[in-house]
Amino acid sequence: NAGVMQNPRHLVRRRGQEARLRCSPMKGHSHVYWYRQLPEEGLKFMVYLQKENIIDESGMPKERFSAEFPKEGPSILRIQQVVRGDSAAYFCASSPTGGRSGIDGNTIYFGEGSWLTVV
Amino acid sequence: AQKITQTQPGMFVQEKEAVTLDCTYDTSDQSYGLFWYKQPSSGEMIFLIYQGSYDEQNATEGRYSLNFQKARKSANLVISASQLGDSAMYFCAMREGAGGSYIPTFGRGTSLIVHP
Repeated sequence: NAGVMQNPRHLVRRRGQEARLRCSPMKGHSHVYWYRQLPEEGLKFMVYLQKENIIDESGMPKERFSAEFPKEGPSILRIQQVVRGDSAAYFCASSPTGGRSGIDGNTIYFGEGSWLTVV
Repeated sequence: AQKITQTQPGMFVQEKEAVTLDCTYDTSDQSYGLFWYKQPSSGEMIFLIYQGSYDEQNATEGRYSLNFQKARKSANLVISASQLGDSAMYFCAMREGAGGSYIPTFGRGTSLIVHP
């Protein structure tokens, strides 16, 4: 999973503040996924992006959450007006293709996660 | 309906023994991929092994092997010769092919503890 860079690793925000989480995919990867992991739970899909496009945001809460993957720079997951329930680990993953063929096309690699704590 | 089911919330194994972590999946696609990831207490998600639905051989990566039974829709992870460092959460995931969304979905995970 080396190569997917997430920052910050840990973030503390007060209720009502904004949280910005960044993800730089592995070199050569154009597909980015964001997942949320609550304590003692598995990963829940939030949003799937390609450069400059949101492909699927069906897992993203309708309010306060947004994501982008600009032509230049990292993908950003933005949470506005954070609440205590937003406290979780947020993982970014990348893959080279949309899952067309074989292990290289299919495997997604994760960053080390960003742990958000809302106080 | 759950696409990935991991029925074992926790497993214990003696060091140097083999252990099998169960995973069943649900899909109507013919083309899909199955994955296992390890999450140690430090939190990162580590890719372990991949099995494609058309792969005839079971995937192996060092001490990890995937027991793929297509008709039963199961993709169990076998860890041989367990080590203390194998203690972690293990997640099974699936990525559906042409008829699906290409978005990997994950099971709830199995916690593995390796005893000395």
